Amino acid sequence: NAGVTQTPKFQVLKTGQSMTLQCAQDMNHNSMYWYRQDPGMGLRLIYYSASEGTTDKGEVPNGYNVSRLNKREFSLRLESAAPSQTSVYFCASSGGRRGQSHLADNEQFFGPGTRLTVL
Amino acid sequence: LAKTTQPISMDSYEGQEVNITCSHNNIATNDYITWYQQFPSQGPRFIIQGYKTKVTNEVASLFIPADRKSSTLSLPRVSLSDTAVYYCLVGSYSGAGSYQLTFGKGTKLSVIP
Repeated sequence: NAGVTQTPKFQVLKTGQSMTLQCAQDMNHNSMYWYRQDPGMGLRLIYYSASEGTTDKGEVPNGYNVSRLNKREFSLRLESAAPSQTSVYFCASSGGRRGQSHLADNEQFFGPGTRLTVL
Repeated sequence: LAKTTQPISMDSYEGQEVNITCSHNNIATNDYITWYQQFPSQGPRFIIQGYKTKVTNEVASLFIPADRKSSTLSLPRVSLSDTAVYYCLVGSYSGAGSYQLTFGKGTKLSVIP
């Protein structure tokens, strides 16, 4: 099992360009997440998907959109990149329990990250 | 919405026990407390999770007092390979399908030979 995979590993964009970060998991998990990590800020949740067909905003959703394409895949899109979106982006998944509120009581598995620079 | 506070950094010698405390004064009844470890250029990795009292696994122990306003991650006999950033995560539910999973800013543990 590959676990959680992310593509690309690195990306440089110019201000105003768009791109999509891809994430896939092969653990049959219900829940998937997108985080960003900036120096000194820890990890902040951008969007999450509690189950296939649902998505919800996290702590810092502005400037991003997501798509839960199927149970395996959860993509993050930047429609018009800004320098403030320079960061390392992590995707994660967890077993989750459909219809339950306790998403945090499941171990999250993280991908290797995508390092994005917006010039 | 539970927020967490951790020390920014800690140093320890090899072979010592290390205790890292996380404060979460506004923890809600349904929240769980989870700790992750992160090495440079890698995603975080789950260490341990608990709800109350004490939890122990093969790598760490987690102590949670009765009021649950704090928690302490205990790493026994640390080695150089334990040098990493440790995050405390508290799961919060703020209603209407909105989950706020709040990571602390992390504690950078440096293990000294």
